[in-house]
Amino acid sequence: SQTIHQWPATLVQPVGSPLSLECTVEGTSNPNLYWYRQAAGRGLQLLFYSVGIGQISSEVPQNLSASRPQDRQFILSSKKLLLSDSGFYLCAWASSLGYGYTFGSGTRLTVV
Amino acid sequence: QKEVEQNSGPLSVPEGAIASLNCTYSDRGSQSFFWYRQYSGKSPELIMSIYSNGDKEDGRFTAQLNKASQYVSLLIRDSQPSDSATYLCAVYSSASKIIFGSGTRLSIRP
Repeated sequence: SQTIHQWPATLVQPVGSPLSLECTVEGTSNPNLYWYRQAAGRGLQLLFYSVGIGQISSEVPQNLSASRPQDRQFILSSKKLLLSDSGFYLCAWASSLGYGYTFGSGTRLTVV
Repeated sequence: QKEVEQNSGPLSVPEGAIASLNCTYSDRGSQSFFWYRQYSGKSPELIMSIYSNGDKEDGRFTAQLNKASQYVSLLIRDSQPSDSATYLCAVYSSASKIIFGSGTRLSIRP
């Protein structure tokens, strides 16, 4: 069966520090991968998605970036965090979009 | 116009009653429709998917789709306190992504 792993679960980082969040999927190959952010009490904001290794589409211009170095690995990064980067970061995967996404357990990031 | 619209709520329903959640979408070419449940502090969980006009039932949940009206709904029968959550409507139409509504907060009162 397919599983998605996302870590860490909670992160507190100072303003201006770097960020690296990792997501991996097991039990499938060539998945579509997604990074979402959810601010407190708000909806899901799509940040990046990838349909293959090295293929990244950005939805929102900001100080975040994403990379997909391996088929089932998706990384979200920042060189310098801002207070506004705080939120709940969710990784998701799909083999076929007709069947919906499966989300990871999320990372709650607080920038202080 | 938002691509997927939901009433943000909160929707308060007594325990044992039917909860009705509604969603409209703008892209007539949309192919697949989903309902996700999100408990506070947790990630969204897929609970229903529907692809053709009509009703689809799964236990206490019924999804309804009307493509002519661009309308999707979710009915929860015999509502339980454990159904209290935010429900996200999501639509797949094109490109490589699914569009989410902003969610409806449902509260089941004992």
